[in-house]
Amino acid sequence: QLQLQGSGPGLVKPSETLSLICTVSGGSISSSSYFWGWIRQPPGKALEWIGNIYYSGSTYYNPSLKSRVTISVDTSENQFSLKLTGVTAADTAVYYCARRSAAVADNWFDPWGQGTLVTVSS
Amino acid sequence: SYDLTQPVSVSVALGQTARITCGGNNIRSKNVHWYQQKPGQAPVVVIYRDSNRPSGISERFSGSKSGNTATLTISGAQAGDEADFYCQVWASSGASDVFGGGTKLTVL
Repeated sequence: QLQLQGSGPGLVKPSETLSLICTVSGGSISSSSYFWGWIRQPPGKALEWIGNIYYSGSTYYNPSLKSRVTISVDTSENQFSLKLTGVTAADTAVYYCARRSAAVADNWFDPWGQGTLVTVSS
Repeated sequence: SYDLTQPVSVSVALGQTARITCGGNNIRSKNVHWYQQKPGQAPVVVIYRDSNRPSGISERFSGSKSGNTATLTISGAQAGDEADFYCQVWASSGASDVFGGGTKLTVL
């Protein structure tokens, strides 16, 4: 059974870089059938897609975050990671990692990690 | 950018049918997926590709699409169905995954 586990600091200072890692277990991140994605949810607000990465390193980013986001993959560790630069209080959110099919028609996210709350505050 | 519009809230009497809509330009040409999110939990897909139900999801959940609107229908609503529901599509024009604004379902 595939599981995703997000990890990283729960508190980040304004203007600094948010860094999270998602570790995949029960399956290989190098599968050609899937993308791996990050989605966030500010407290009390809706889900917001951040971006996806393929095992080869190909990425898609939310245009509204693209200038500040980098998603990378480490196939040797079965992990992918998120970096978000220049954070502000508006970046305070629960950050989820999830698997997504690479097939055009099958682009839903399943399963999801448990979520990591990141608070931006000095 | 591509937008998906959902009602902020929907209320349904216990045992009745709830319908949650998701509107978007040319949504008829896109595959729509629906997620249920209970408080403090990660979202779970309840309908994929417009009308397909994953294994383990109650038959009371169904999906449909007509015109520029996709609809999630919950039959025989139960107290345990209370949650936030989100629709999601791939917007090929912007090469982006897009989520709707979410709908809070209340079972009265």
